Amino acid sequence: GAGVSQSPSNKVTEKGKDVELRCDPISGHTALYWYRQSLGQGLEFLIYFQGNSAPDKSGLPSDRFSAERTGGSVSTLTIQRTQQEDSAVYLCASSPLRGKDTQYFGPGTRLTVL
Amino acid sequence: QQPVQSPQAVILREGEDAVINCSSSKALYSVHWYRQKHGEAPVFLMILLKGGEQKGHEKISASFNEKKQQSSLYLTASQLSYSGTYFCGTGRGSGGGADGLTFGKGTHLIIQP
Repeated sequence: GAGVSQSPSNKVTEKGKDVELRCDPISGHTALYWYRQSLGQGLEFLIYFQGNSAPDKSGLPSDRFSAERTGGSVSTLTIQRTQQEDSAVYLCASSPLRGKDTQYFGPGTRLTVL
Repeated sequence: QQPVQSPQAVILREGEDAVINCSSSKALYSVHWYRQKHGEAPVFLMILLKGGEQKGHEKISASFNEKKQQSSLYLTASQLSYSGTYFCGTGRGSGGGADGLTFGKGTHLIIQP
């Protein structure tokens, strides 16, 4: 079956513009995660969705960041008024069950803010 | 709290063994290991759970010392394909990582012919 897909694969934007990043999780996976990876750094947790529960937004770095998940499937991460420090690879992951299971990562979206 | 990985980087000859360590300042309930090649998504290798349950890769093993809050990943008879950056991730909460992972900064492994 298909893995986690993300679009676009690359996004270049100007400072101050808004961007939307999309994630299609593996079908049937109830948990969905967004992480950010800056150059040479580890992965930084941003937000977590589990089923129909309210998302855990505790990792979002500022109120310019928001995310939603429609119908328990596709998720969109929105960054408003982008700043240069937002430049990073944004990775989405999904997991089938709560608790002990693997997170399967998508290929990421490389965001460059000029 | 971000787990600490060591070493930061290691260069080996094909066939040599490697050990990558991950330690945490907080109690660990699970440790997840991933490998990432340049420009690619992280790929799952191993999950170790409190109580000893382990799921993972047939050619790579790992240990989990709950008391010392440490985990180590063992790569034996390394192959060229093992090159990449290895990350350990620990559960953000008290569960198995279901509410997201906190990752270390990674260990860069280079395998030379």
